Amino acid sequence: AQTVTQSQPEMSVQEAETVTLSCTYDTSENNYYLFWYKQPPSRQMILVIRQEAYKQQNATENRFSVNFQKAAKSFSLKISDSQLGDTAMYFCAFMNPYNNNDMRFGAGTRLTVKP
Amino acid sequence: NAGVTQTPKFRVLKTGQSMTLLCAQDMNHEYMYWYRQDPGMGLRLIHYSVGEGTTAKGEVPDGYNVSRLKKQNFLLGLESAAPSQTSVYFCASSRDNYEQYFGPGTRLTVT
Repeated sequence: AQTVTQSQPEMSVQEAETVTLSCTYDTSENNYYLFWYKQPPSRQMILVIRQEAYKQQNATENRFSVNFQKAAKSFSLKISDSQLGDTAMYFCAFMNPYNNNDMRFGAGTRLTVKP
Repeated sequence: NAGVTQTPKFRVLKTGQSMTLLCAQDMNHEYMYWYRQDPGMGLRLIHYSVGEGTTAKGEVPDGYNVSRLKKQNFLLGLESAAPSQTSVYFCASSRDNYEQYFGPGTRLTVT
């Protein structure tokens, strides 16, 4: 079974600075999907960014970008120009499209953006 | 579009009681999922459905049952609640090979 590891339970960053959240995963599949979800105090799970494993180019969404290293099975999230509204739990997730879209989540990283 | 909705938002049960959580989506998605989220852990899959009339077990299915009689609804049942089922429950839906859209969650406490 696929596993997802987020080694940073908590992180903090000053407003306007850049922070990187780490994620590693374990799989024997060649094709899969990776996601970062944000969970603010409202508890709503919000998709931040998505990466297809067959694409070499790293995904970007405005201030959010990923560093996808397929050989190393690493999928880190970089948040640039951090804003107070970025304060949330961030979950890395792995999806196997060959197993009914089975999605596995990491334990999460609690990010605090300080003013 | 309401997206994914969950009913109820909060519930307190006594050990041994039963209840059903309702998930509804208006995006015509084929796939629907039920997860539980416990402190210090990510979401864990309880059951899922790949289409109307189908259900399958996920990572932690014991103590739960599900039904998908209509494409837009996915029900999660607890027949005899236990304190270990105290958790936040999330429903999600997706198209094939696309990201999952989540409901707002249901906080369930079993005393």
